[in-house]
Amino acid sequence: DQQVKQNSPSLSVQEGRISILNCDYTNSMFDYFLWYKKYPAEGPTFLISISSIKDKNEDGRFTVFLNKSAKHLSLHIVPSQPGDSAVYFCAASAAGNQFYFGTGTSLTVIP
Amino acid sequence: DVKVTQSSRYLVKRTGEKVFLECVQDMDHENMFWYRQDPGLGLRLIYFSYDVKMKEKGDIPEGYSVSREKKERFSLILESASTNQTSMYLCASSRQGFYGYTFGSGTRLTVV
Repeated sequence: DQQVKQNSPSLSVQEGRISILNCDYTNSMFDYFLWYKKYPAEGPTFLISISSIKDKNEDGRFTVFLNKSAKHLSLHIVPSQPGDSAVYFCAASAAGNQFYFGTGTSLTVIP
Repeated sequence: DVKVTQSSRYLVKRTGEKVFLECVQDMDHENMFWYRQDPGLGLRLIYFSYDVKMKEKGDIPEGYSVSREKKERFSLILESASTNQTSMYLCASSRQGFYGYTFGSGTRLTVV
């Protein structure tokens, strides 16, 4: 059973606009969350993280929001750039155990 | 530059062959993982290891085995390759506490 879900397989956004990628989880014990970015034929690279004691973490153009009551997190990219076109995976873990990954959202930023 | 290195980027094997996928990390990480990535299914954990000679089954271990004789090396073995094992295989490592993984570049395995 998929504990981490990304319900949008793909997303297209105009360059300069905001990209919002969403992720839902079912396990209330998850306390640490990551976003990874993956280009074709490459391994995923770490993008940004957030722990359950926070509801927001920001790193440059990337911001992750966590809504624990809704078991939902989102990644905002502002402004979006063509180089952001990739597959984005969210991942969650509980108490330092293994991470569970979502199915990924393919983002296309249109110049 | 710290690295997780997977020995092959592309492999083509025949059904029934024994296949070895090798992964080496240079970060002295305790934990190592093997995932496979398939369209619409995301990253699924096959096996992981917390320490040398230790292994734990992930979500989809059937048809696979692993070996970790040295801390830096984690091998995935397909005992008898089948066409449904055609996939992208990703190795990752992390230090204790699971504060994020470092992934290798992946091995695209095709079984014909």
